[in-house]
Amino acid sequence: DGGITQSPKYLFRKEGQNVTLSCEQNLNHDAMYWYRQDPGQGLRLIYYSQIVNDFQKGDIAEGYSVSREKKESFPLTVTSAQKNPTAFYLCATTRTGDNNEQFFGPGTRLTVL
Amino acid sequence: EDQVTQSPEALRLQEGESSSLNCSYTVSGLRGLFWYRQDPGKGPEFLFTLYSAGEEKEKERLKATLTKKESFLHITAPKPEDSATYLCAVQAPNDYKLSFGAGTTVTVRA
Repeated sequence: DGGITQSPKYLFRKEGQNVTLSCEQNLNHDAMYWYRQDPGQGLRLIYYSQIVNDFQKGDIAEGYSVSREKKESFPLTVTSAQKNPTAFYLCATTRTGDNNEQFFGPGTRLTVL
Repeated sequence: EDQVTQSPEALRLQEGESSSLNCSYTVSGLRGLFWYRQDPGKGPEFLFTLYSAGEEKEKERLKATLTKKESFLHITAPKPEDSATYLCAVQAPNDYKLSFGAGTTVTVRA
């Protein structure tokens, strides 16, 4: 069953803790992205990666970190430096080339207590 | 900076009452304009990509059109299952990111 999986679906964190959100894909897509979604706002890009071992900051990278050690995986760490981490986090992938549609995973809702 | 504005923010329709959603955009060139559907608590589901002014695409009761400044998503004879938030996004040439609008939440009552 091909697709994008994100885990966990819900995550609760105490202030001052780092947490890591998982994103895995078996679509053989080269590029992977992390977005954040807040009520009443459009999705905002946190980080993206076009190839293994390479990634770039998006519009709101402060307080976040990523790694891309495997093509299939692009984990996102929300650090204690992120001031307003409560949000819905979405991972997306895309093929390179002319067909540049991004396909999204089911999301992780992070709540800071 | 790329900008995407969607209107209205919310739309309440009676079943069978056709309507249109608007996506106005400002981008330096256009690599593609994308429409997505998002159900509550779920990730966006890809609907359409439009590349050039005059292009149209259809899927069931949905039809997307594109001009040089805006795109419309027409919903014909909607059903309750069409209730969702519809997101519009644009991509500039030589850019890998999508710039999203805030979305239009459509509610279709039986």
